[in-house]
Amino acid sequence: AQKVTQAQTEISVVEKEDVTLDCVYETRDTTYYLFWYKQPPSGELVFLIRRNSFDEQNEISGRYSWNFQKSTSSFNFTITASQVVDSAVYFCALSVLNSGGYQKVTFGIGTKLQVIP
Amino acid sequence: NAGVTQTPKFQVLKTGQSMTLQCAQDMNHNSMYWYRQDPGMGLRLIYYSASEGTTDKGEVPNGYNVSRLNKREFSLRLESAAPSQTSVYFCASSAGTAFRTDTQYFGPGTRLTVL
Repeated sequence: AQKVTQAQTEISVVEKEDVTLDCVYETRDTTYYLFWYKQPPSGELVFLIRRNSFDEQNEISGRYSWNFQKSTSSFNFTITASQVVDSAVYFCALSVLNSGGYQKVTFGIGTKLQVIP
Repeated sequence: NAGVTQTPKFQVLKTGQSMTLQCAQDMNHNSMYWYRQDPGMGLRLIYYSASEGTTDKGEVPNGYNVSRLNKREFSLRLESAAPSQTSVYFCASSAGTAFRTDTQYFGPGTRLTVL
């Protein structure tokens, strides 16, 4: 069975601070994908990044960066110089191919980030 | 491209009423999904459709039915709504297949309240 743990339920930071959102996953599959989604107060789910299990390269996109470490089963997300617009709930997710022939995605319960001006 | 669209955005039902949530995607994706989001529980899969003409149950299918009308459209029906079905419902689509996983893209959600 798959599991995604986001231990931080809520984080508050002051604008311009850096913040890291933790994600730890469990799976016995050797092939899987990891995702981060953002859910702003408006409610939609916005795709941020996808990583497959064979690619441990870290990625940077503007103020966002992701650190994937298979040795610790973690896929952490860092926002540098946070802004008020970063305030949202962030979900980490794990995807494997189910034996029934569909993409089984397991979501964490989310981390609510509040950036205070 | 609109991506994934859902209607309605909000709905209030009385216990026992029925309704259908509509979902459409214009990305030519094979797979479509219905999730519900409840506080503290993340997203849970209700039903999925790996390809046009096929549908299967996810984690929490009780009380729901689905129809994959064509490749673009995937509807979710509540035959007799119950207060426990008060939730936010998301439709998603993916280019993934039975042999390959891919990113799921989500619609804007439907906020449903059952009184």
